[in-house]
Amino acid sequence: DTGVSQDPRHKITKRGQNVTFRCDPISEHNRLYWYRQTLGQGPEFLTYFQNEAQLEKSRLLSDRFSAERPKGSFSTLEIQRTEQGDSAMYLCASSWAGNTDTQYFGPGTRLTVL
Amino acid sequence: TQLLEQSPQFLSIQEGENLTVYCNSSSVFSSLQWYRQEPGEGPVLLVTVVTGGEVKKLKRLTFQFGDARKDSSLHITAAQTGDTGLYLCAGARNQGGKLIFGQGTELSVKP
Repeated sequence: DTGVSQDPRHKITKRGQNVTFRCDPISEHNRLYWYRQTLGQGPEFLTYFQNEAQLEKSRLLSDRFSAERPKGSFSTLEIQRTEQGDSAMYLCASSWAGNTDTQYFGPGTRLTVL
Repeated sequence: TQLLEQSPQFLSIQEGENLTVYCNSSSVFSSLQWYRQEPGEGPVLLVTVVTGGEVKKLKRLTFQFGDARKDSSLHITAAQTGDTGLYLCAGARNQGGKLIFGQGTELSVKP
């Protein structure tokens, strides 16, 4: 199966530490999205890339968050100086640029900040 | 501001019953997606509806997009315990690739 994969699936960290998550999209997809989902809520958009270009960032993405997609394939999402409010499920999705509405999600990375 | 409102938020029914979940907005969407999500997993795409008034069927699930492309519904016939999960609607707008999600409907189907 060549669906979207994310690593790690779970991360527990202490407040103030930096964490990095990885997303590998479906291989032929050129758009990659990051969303965040807290308990009892639907996912909220964070940012997206077309190939290596970051085209949009949400206001939710504070300056402690940075995302990259250096070669237009996998992407990383880094959170610096984590806070307890960062605890959430971080979801990655991918799509074709010609069919951006149909996005396929990975299993997510569950972040817990103690 | 919640652009997409789902109702009900929670639904507990017996196996074999029918149910409908609604997704409403005052905004127009170019398309609307329905996803199903299980605890600890990512959302799994069920369907995309694009045309106002469109109806799509997926086995016991029937999806409808409103004529004005502002609302959608998901109807499940003869629910099964395997239908248990969080159902999310998500709308796409013309200005970007991001999806705007509703808050979800938590469905529990009891045997």
